Amino acid sequence: QVQLVESGGGVVQPGRSVRLSCAASGFTFRNSPMHWVRQTPGKGLEWVAVISKGGNNQYSADSVKGRFTISRDNSKNMLYLQMNSLRAEDTAVYYCARDTGFWSWFDPWGQGALVTVSS
Amino acid sequence: NFMLTQPHSVSESPGETVTISCTRSSGSIDSNYVQWYQQRPGSSPTTVIFDNNQRPSGVPDRFSGSIDRSSNSASLTISGLQTEDEADYSCQSYDGAEHVVFGGGTKVTVL
Repeated sequence: QVQLVESGGGVVQPGRSVRLSCAASGFTFRNSPMHWVRQTPGKGLEWVAVISKGGNNQYSADSVKGRFTISRDNSKNMLYLQMNSLRAEDTAVYYCARDTGFWSWFDPWGQGALVTVSS
Repeated sequence: NFMLTQPHSVSESPGETVTISCTRSSGSIDSNYVQWYQQRPGSSPTTVIFDNNQRPSGVPDRFSGSIDRSSNSASLTISGLQTEDEADYSCQSYDGAEHVVFGGGTKVTVL
């Protein structure tokens, strides 16, 4: 079945870096734009970034621009989020999600990876 | 960028109908499609409505979506409320500038 599995979360100190990975299976990964969305504990969903099918175009939220980089490896069916200069407010569960079209609805979502920024 | 505003919570008894609003702060609500996601406690979001009023396969027809241009808002209606519908519901759209916008989420409680 169509599945996304995130990995790479954990506890990281402020100012440090971490990379999240998202393994895709059950669909033709190279045909789908992909997103990262985060959710602060007890709060709502916040879009983080999107990458085009081929990886040539990336867009991100103002809150992470210049610090987070989204990338993909279509040969490995993998999506990544490189997170640098982390702040306490970046603490959240990070979900990867498939865009079902072109700026369309998200399905499926991964199970989420918790990143805690704390000293 | 615009904001999507939702009520913090709604509650209703089983079998009743609830409607959740999602109001766009600027620009027209029909400029871009609106999606609705359901998130049960401890689970990832799933889509219940896409493209304003379309249901993915497997979503019961108790779920319906609509757009109201006069109030510049989208709505999710759940009829015949069931205990399994207790969850957080978030609306989502695009701003036309390669950005995704989510509403703050609404907690639906089945009394």
